[in-house]
Amino acid sequence: EAAVTQSPRSKVAVTGGKVTLSCHQTNNHDYMYWYRQDTGHGLRLIHYSYVADSTEKGDIPDGYKASRPSQENFSLILELASLSQTAVYFCASTSGGGNERLFFGHGTKLSVL
Amino acid sequence: SQWGEENLQALSIQEGEDVTMNCSYKTYTTVVHWYRQDSGRGPALIILIRSNEREKRSGRLRATLDTSSQSSSLSITAAQCEDTAVYFCAVGTGGYKVVFGSGTRLLVSP
Repeated sequence: EAAVTQSPRSKVAVTGGKVTLSCHQTNNHDYMYWYRQDTGHGLRLIHYSYVADSTEKGDIPDGYKASRPSQENFSLILELASLSQTAVYFCASTSGGGNERLFFGHGTKLSVL
Repeated sequence: SQWGEENLQALSIQEGEDVTMNCSYKTYTTVVHWYRQDSGRGPALIILIRSNEREKRSGRLRATLDTSSQSSSLSITAAQCEDTAVYFCAVGTGGYKVVFGSGTRLLVSP
């Protein structure tokens, strides 16, 4: 079974601080994604990547940066965390862009105070 | 608003009933994904249906796809309590983006 590991599992951050969420996959997948999920809502796409050293903006990229230093690793960076960024963040990987299943991590619960 | 930004829809049924969830999308796609999300976990794929399939079954699950109307449905036959979860559809929008619909929170009671 394909594996996507996110760290940390939960984090409390202060407003204005820097937060880095990490994602590691052992699936040998080219495509990786970051989504956020607010309570009672669906998943919204923040950033994605289809090759190492390159990232693309999703539907809600403002306030977030992404980094893909290798095929296996994909990070989401909040340079200046804000209260509105409190959410659960999911990383996913896939072999075929939108044409194949996504494998998700367990999520990172971020609380910004 | 963006597709999928709305609140989750809620459906409550009794065990043994059949249920259908619908998904309408606005962009061209040849594949619709259906995911299930259990509380506290990431979504997991339950059915992926391609444009040349129109219908796909997996156990008590049945997905349909109508590319002409840009809609898909997921049906559960004889729902069980363990089917309680949130269900999402998702589509690839080209350029490797994969976006999710708003989702349905299904509660199956004994």
